[in-house]
Amino acid sequence: NAGVTQTPKFQVLKTGQSMTLQCAQDMNHEYMSWYRQDPGMGLRLIHYSVGAGITDQGEVPNGYNVSRSTTEDFPLRLLSAAPSQTSVYFCASSSDRGQETQYFGPGTRLLVL
Amino acid sequence: AQTVTQSQPEMSVQEAETVTLSCTYDTSENNYYLFWYKQPPSRQMILVIRQEAYKQQNATENRFSVNFQKAAKSFSLKISDSQLGDTAMYFCAFMKHWNNDMRFGAGTRLTVKP
Repeated sequence: NAGVTQTPKFQVLKTGQSMTLQCAQDMNHEYMSWYRQDPGMGLRLIHYSVGAGITDQGEVPNGYNVSRSTTEDFPLRLLSAAPSQTSVYFCASSSDRGQETQYFGPGTRLLVL
Repeated sequence: AQTVTQSQPEMSVQEAETVTLSCTYDTSENNYYLFWYKQPPSRQMILVIRQEAYKQQNATENRFSVNFQKAAKSFSLKISDSQLGDTAMYFCAFMKHWNNDMRFGAGTRLTVKP
């Protein structure tokens, strides 16, 4: 199993551009989440999904959209990038709601100029 | 809302010695999970240890153990026989039962010195 994979590893955007961060898992996990990590802070939850077709907002959802059309994939979309979205983004998955450990991808470093 | 506080931004320890990282949290929930994650320079988030709040027994994983004080809302991590590979950021995290909203502390940067 590859576990949780994320692409790209690093991206530079200009303010106002849009992009999609990809996340995929091959463990048949129902639950997937997106976090951002800013310097000096822990990870903060952006959006999460409890299964295909179901998504919900986390602690810091503004400026981001998500969808979950399949169990395996959970892309994160930035519609109009802002410098405040410069961060490291982590995707995570788990097999059961709140009962199992979340497994994290390697992260995507995003720089918005 | 749940909050997690790690009061030690940085710590250091000599190789082979023991170090304890502190974590406190605030919640009105009775059922929840607590975690310690390690983040080395590679940025990969690695689970170190996990504790279910309903279990009184403290979790242990080889050289890693926790001191879980539910009434005090404290969850410290003890690393015994510290190794150079333990050098990393350590994050304490809280998650409500039946919920995937995980809240993290700001982290403690641990350096193990030879």
